[in-house]
Amino acid sequence: RKEVEQDPGPFNVPEGATVAFNCTYSNSASQSFFWYRQDCRKEPKLLMSVYSSGNEDGRFTAQLNRASQYISLLIRDSKLSDSATYLCVVNRDDKIIFGKGTRLHILP
Amino acid sequence: GAVVSQHPSRVICKSGTSVKIECRSLDFQATTMFWYRQFPKQSLMLMATSNEGSKATYEQGVEKDKFLINHASLTLSTLTVTSAHPEDSSFYICSASWGWGNTYNSPLHFGNGTRLTVT
Repeated sequence: RKEVEQDPGPFNVPEGATVAFNCTYSNSASQSFFWYRQDCRKEPKLLMSVYSSGNEDGRFTAQLNRASQYISLLIRDSKLSDSATYLCVVNRDDKIIFGKGTRLHILP
Repeated sequence: GAVVSQHPSRVICKSGTSVKIECRSLDFQATTMFWYRQFPKQSLMLMATSNEGSKATYEQGVEKDKFLINHASLTLSTLTVTSAHPEDSSFYICSASWGWGNTYNSPLHFGNGTRLTVT
């Protein structure tokens, strides 16, 4: 089992819909969590950090459930420009572990 | 915000030659930088962790003699792909962290990547 697992994609979602991504991690010693967005053939960019209390940034909401060892990302009112690959990243000790990413296609 | 600059963005080289990729942190001091490789439709794979003033730490399966990493200053790390082969063709990305506490608990800022094609 991989240490960080994400929903397999791609997700094809109509514009305006709400999209939810989940990511599970296997090591309970994991310390910090992030969501990155990667556009095709580009470098990843930080979307948001994920805090235990949950956090929101505009249309994006991230949540962490340490007991169940998963993090989630919710995108509301999705836009065409949200089409990208969303990477879950988990830090543990001296390791940075990337999920494989979930591809999202927003359909007009 | 923090900026990491990577150069070149694209390089085509012949098999057997060496290619150097530079990664610079432009507005902060990065004691630790990370180098990744990404093959098409695959996730980022960490190759090595580059520490300023000391030897890099390589991930299992990454040949340190083939992928030479130098981190001579707090703002510059270089990756040299030596004796490149077509199978080394990939997207190479560096990243660095700034901000609070442990490097590994801070968000990463990525360079814009280098697309290497070995013919």
